[in-house]
Amino acid sequence: GENVEQHPSTLSVQEGDSAVIKCTYSDSASNYFPWYKQELGKRPQLIIDIRSNVGEKKDQRIAVTLNKTAKHFSLHITETQPEDSAVYFCAAIPSGAGSYQLTFGKGTKLSVIP
Amino acid sequence: GAGVSQSPSNKVTEKGKDVELRCDPISGHTALYWYRQSLGQGLEFLIYFQGNSAPDKSGLPSDRFSAERTGGSVSTLTIQRTQQEDSAVYLCASSLSTSGASEQYFGPGTRLTVT
Repeated sequence: GENVEQHPSTLSVQEGDSAVIKCTYSDSASNYFPWYKQELGKRPQLIIDIRSNVGEKKDQRIAVTLNKTAKHFSLHITETQPEDSAVYFCAAIPSGAGSYQLTFGKGTKLSVIP
Repeated sequence: GAGVSQSPSNKVTEKGKDVELRCDPISGHTALYWYRQSLGQGLEFLIYFQGNSAPDKSGLPSDRFSAERTGGSVSTLTIQRTQQEDSAVYLCASSLSTSGASEQYFGPGTRLTVT
């Protein structure tokens, strides 16, 4: 089955700096990679996702890059703000009929220091 | 519209007791997922429903765990003879597509504490 490794487990940055979280996956058939943000005591929410037919996707201050050859993908947050403080989870899954088990990384706790 | 809801929000139970956790998915969502999140850990996949059917139950940690879904809507996760290692937050999610490669909407979770 799929195995997703996520690094770092904790990350502290100054407000305004960039934050990068990296994930690697093991199953070369995986081709959907979402990122979820979980604020303290709240439910995980999708913030961005990428499919294997693209190498990069941006949404305002958030971007995700994918390297299928190396089997890794990264989340980039620019101009960080205190409200970005949360735990971020990456995940991977093969898409297509019958694919339903999303495998999550163990999470990165991001702290943005004002 | 209403999101995914779960009940109870918190449950404290004694070791050996049975518990039942409930999930109400977003109306019209065909797919429903259960996850377990232990303190400081990621989300561990437990089971997936496509409609009322669970194609794969191998993610359930032991035979003390079972789940069902009725009417393509509400789902219950039952843990029999609870153990302290069952203490965790149990999260339910639903999605419009039956493919896992689509946005999953999570509920607020049920925090289970086994004493």
